[in-house]
Amino acid sequence: ETGVTQTPRHLVMGMTNKKSLKCEQHLGHNAMYWYKQSAKKPLELMFVYNFKEQTENNSVPSRFSPECPNSSHLFLHLHTLQPEDSALYLCASSQVHSGGADTQYFGPGTRLTVL
Amino acid sequence: GQNIDQPTEMTATEGAIVQINCTYQTSGFNGLFWYQQHAGEAPTFLSYNVLDGLEEKGRFSSFLSRSKGYSYLLLKELQMKDSASYLCAVMDSNYQLIWGAGTKLIIKP
Repeated sequence: ETGVTQTPRHLVMGMTNKKSLKCEQHLGHNAMYWYKQSAKKPLELMFVYNFKEQTENNSVPSRFSPECPNSSHLFLHLHTLQPEDSALYLCASSQVHSGGADTQYFGPGTRLTVL
Repeated sequence: GQNIDQPTEMTATEGAIVQINCTYQTSGFNGLFWYQQHAGEAPTFLSYNVLDGLEEKGRFSSFLSRSKGYSYLLLKELQMKDSASYLCAVMDSNYQLIWGAGTKLIIKP
């Protein structure tokens, strides 16, 4: 399934750097998500965008800043990160409608290492 | 609070059958999902249950009991390529997914 793409696949950055993660979905969905996946821990939902509007921000530190310019693209801007932010960052998309939400489809993730 | 429990790791033999259990306590229920995730890859959708009972899809089946807050994923005729992590997730009353930590399945020849 290549419906959701993410770049870069791997990223190493210092604590003072600024970088951005990019996600693009080709499935015609109207909702996009950022998740953090750390080893042996459940996926943590970070942000949700429905119709380009942010509807969820699960107490994520301000050093993570999302941007959703349209329903197909999602960015995660990173600045002054901490070593504990090292993880796999996954993007997903789904179709949301009045009756609920359908299956989420994931991109391959960006493996982030903060030195 | 919301909680999804599944075993951390399981080992099975090629050609055999394995059952991965998942129990949940969530605020609301709008279905349960199983995903497969190979190391370094995206989670991929396997199955969805919203009503009690068994859903069969080829070698994989998923069962749900809403009254018990319980599901299992059954994998038959195991193949080496089935070595992966299997993630259980419940869609809550806000239509957000609550995730388990995943079960790493190791297949031995």
